[in-house]
Amino acid sequence: EAQVTQNPRYLITVTGKKLTVTCSQNMNHEYMSWYRQDPGLGLRQIYYSMNVEVTDKGDVPEGYKVSRKEKRNFPLILESPSPNQTSLYFCASSLRGLTGELFFGEGSRLTVL
Amino acid sequence: ILNVEQSPQSLHVQEGDSTNFTCSFPSSNFYALHWYRWETAKSPEALFVMTLNGDEKKKGRISATLNTKEGYSYLYIKGSQPEDSATYLCASSSGGYQKVTFGTGTKLQVIP
Repeated sequence: EAQVTQNPRYLITVTGKKLTVTCSQNMNHEYMSWYRQDPGLGLRQIYYSMNVEVTDKGDVPEGYKVSRKEKRNFPLILESPSPNQTSLYFCASSLRGLTGELFFGEGSRLTVL
Repeated sequence: ILNVEQSPQSLHVQEGDSTNFTCSFPSSNFYALHWYRWETAKSPEALFVMTLNGDEKKKGRISATLNTKEGYSYLYIKGSQPEDSATYLCASSSGGYQKVTFGTGTKLQVIP
């Protein structure tokens, strides 16, 4: 089954404790990206990647890092999480960038205390 | 950051009514416009991706149009059904980059 898989789906952590949210797709997609969803705001793009070793900032990259060492994986790293990073996070992928539809993962709800 | 606006913010319609929503976006350096359907507790699912001025796309009872010169897109639902109840998101990218900006969505509730 074609899918985008995120882990963990739910996480409660404390300020400053490094964490990684994994994202994996099995569709051989070139493009992968991360978003956060906060009440009253649209999905906001954090980082995106056009291919292996090619990443770039979205609109809200502060406090996050990403890497794209393999085509299928695009982890989101919070080196020192803060409470303002409490949010619902989505990973998405597309075969050919933004001229193609985005396939979303199921979301990861992160709470930083 | 692009400013993508959707209206109305929410909408209640009776089953069988037809309805439409608007997405407005900056028209300069337009690249692509996306529509997604997002049900509660699920992930957004793609409806349409449009790239050319004048594009019209249709999927069952749902259709969309695109005007890149004036910076707007319409989503139409014909004969709304309760299962159409969801939030409808549009997203725009410009400048040939792969950054995308989402609107805050139109929440549709179809009353049986």
